[in-house]
Amino acid sequence: KAGVTQTPRYLIKTRGQQVTLSCSPISGHRSVSWYQQTPGQGLQFLFEYFSETQRNKGNFPGRFSGRQFSNSRSEMNVSTLELGDSALYLCASSLEVANSGNTIYFGEGSWLTVV
Amino acid sequence: AQKVTQAQTEISVVEKEDVTLDCVYETRDTTYYLFWYKQPPSGELVFLIRRNSFDEQNEISGRYSWNFQKSTSSFNFTITASQVVDSAVYFCALSEARRAGNMLTFGGGTRLMVKP
Repeated sequence: KAGVTQTPRYLIKTRGQQVTLSCSPISGHRSVSWYQQTPGQGLQFLFEYFSETQRNKGNFPGRFSGRQFSNSRSEMNVSTLELGDSALYLCASSLEVANSGNTIYFGEGSWLTVV
Repeated sequence: AQKVTQAQTEISVVEKEDVTLDCVYETRDTTYYLFWYKQPPSGELVFLIRRNSFDEQNEISGRYSWNFQKSTSSFNFTITASQVVDSAVYFCALSEARRAGNMLTFGGGTRLMVKP
């Protein structure tokens, strides 16, 4: 069974540009969430999508956005890139089991460098 | 608000030593879930365990064991007879049931270095 797949794995962008990262969840998983990891702030929750709707949102500016498609695949977009956006962006997916707590699986991440 | 603290930022041991990684959490929720993940240099977060708040049984999986104590809000992770391949950053995380969906609050991580 394939795991969570993220593309691209590495990318370099210039300040002011925008970037789109893609995530394919584990087959059958309908919840997809995104996290940003930086040396200074650690792992921080960006947002979560379920059935094409944003269900939870972290404390990030509006430059960070995302969406989910009908096949559960998700994309996140960062506009007007800043140097501080350089980070590892991790996508996670989970199988939605009511009232049971869900195991959350992560992809390998997309390493973004803003220069 | 929920919070996870991993006080040990870095631990260095020699192969075959036992090592315990500490995790202390804060939550007002009565139902919550605790996780441990391993992050090798490649970046992927590898799932190790999930524990429900109403299940305080300790768990052992091979060389790994977990000690969950609600009385002290701790969920510690022990590696027995450590190996070089255990070198990684380990994260403890918390998810609260009262919040719909899946949102993890992570601790700052503990970097474990196992020397041969």
